[in-house]
Amino acid sequence: AQTVTQSQPEMSVQEAETVTLSCTYDTSESNYYLFWYKQPPSRQMILVIRQEAYKQQNATENRFSVNFQKAAKSFSLKISDSQLGDTAMYFCAFMTQGAQKLVFGQGTRLTINP
Amino acid sequence: GAVVSQHPSRVICKSGTSVKIECRSLDFQATTMFWYRQFPKQSLMLMATSNEGSKATYEQGVEKDKFLINHASLTLSTLTVTSAHPEDSSFYICSASTFSGGTRQAFQETQYFGPGTRLLVL
Repeated sequence: AQTVTQSQPEMSVQEAETVTLSCTYDTSESNYYLFWYKQPPSRQMILVIRQEAYKQQNATENRFSVNFQKAAKSFSLKISDSQLGDTAMYFCAFMTQGAQKLVFGQGTRLTINP
Repeated sequence: GAVVSQHPSRVICKSGTSVKIECRSLDFQATTMFWYRQFPKQSLMLMATSNEGSKATYEQGVEKDKFLINHASLTLSTLTVTSAHPEDSSFYICSASTFSGGTRQAFQETQYFGPGTRLLVL
């Protein structure tokens, strides 16, 4: 069974700083997708970024980028120039190709301080 | 694009009554919808996977007779909590997925989430 582990329950940084959230996963599959979702206080789940395992290039979305290390089964999220609106729970998630289910990590609560 | 709505956003009901929650994909056709439950400060727990026109697939430990799921069209899925009890109080979230563009293989790789429904059973 696939598992996703987020080892940082909580993190806190100052506005404009860069922060990296960790995620590791365990799978025997070779084709899969990885995701970072953000859940702000409104509790709306928002897709932040997506990575296809077959792509070597790390995905980026504006201030958000990932460091995908397939051999190490690591998928960290870097947030540059952090903003107050980035305060949220961040969930790392995994899905194998052909499957429909997302496997979520436990989440990291990120607080951006003014 | 890829907007999913949920209705109602919050509901309070008496113990023993049934509550229906709707999940709609507003700008795409969702062949698969998912229903999750989330307890405070915890991750999402998948309850069931719903494919249009077929019976839902429930996760282990989820009572299918208590949590009725209907996915009658490509844009609507409903979750009915039957004979609700206080322990059913929770935050329920739906998500919807669509086919990847540019490929004939039915691979659904991204789930888009609704805003959630807060259920309180008194």
